[in-house]
Amino acid sequence: DGGITQSPKYLFRKEGQNVTLSCEQNLNHDAMYWYRQDPGQGLRLIYYSQIVNDFQKGDIAEGYSVSREKKESFPLTVTSAQKNPTAFYLCASSTIDRFGNEQFFGPGTRLTVL
Amino acid sequence: ILNVEQSPQSLHVQEGDSTNFTCSFPSSNFYALHWYRWETAKSPEALFVMTLNGDEKKKGRISATLNTKEGYSYLYIKGSQPEDSATYLCALSNAGGTSYGKLTFGQGTILTVHP
Repeated sequence: DGGITQSPKYLFRKEGQNVTLSCEQNLNHDAMYWYRQDPGQGLRLIYYSQIVNDFQKGDIAEGYSVSREKKESFPLTVTSAQKNPTAFYLCASSTIDRFGNEQFFGPGTRLTVL
Repeated sequence: ILNVEQSPQSLHVQEGDSTNFTCSFPSSNFYALHWYRWETAKSPEALFVMTLNGDEKKKGRISATLNTKEGYSYLYIKGSQPEDSATYLCALSNAGGTSYGKLTFGQGTILTVHP
């Protein structure tokens, strides 16, 4: 089955620890994205990547880091510098074309920092 | 940061009612407008991607219209059913450079359809 997987579904960490969220896709998509959702808010873009070994900051990149060493994988690290890391994190992927690139989403990871 | 606004924030309707929501966005540098449906415990799924002023798209009982000159899109659901209960997200894609492909989402409209 083609799709996007995120792991783990739930993640608990102590304050001050870095944590890495996994995102893998087998859709052969060039672009991948990380979003954060907080209660009452829409999805906010953290980072995105249009090609391997390249990525761009989104609207709320502070306190996060990413890598794109393989086309299939786009892990997100939530660092201790992120002031309010407890949130729901969604990964997505898409093709890049001129007709409007529908994004396909993973199931999400809920991160709770204790 | 682009400002994409959705209204209302939440909506409760009875089964069989028709309903609609609005997505407002800045009309400059418009490239595409997306609608997604996000059901509880599932991933968001694309409903429509619209690129042309005056576009109308339909999928079953759900349809959407687009006005890029005035910066709004409407999503309509005819004869709402309980399975239509979800959060409906709109998102704007604007053209240009390294922003190509980047979406800016509204805060969503939460629809609850009561049997």
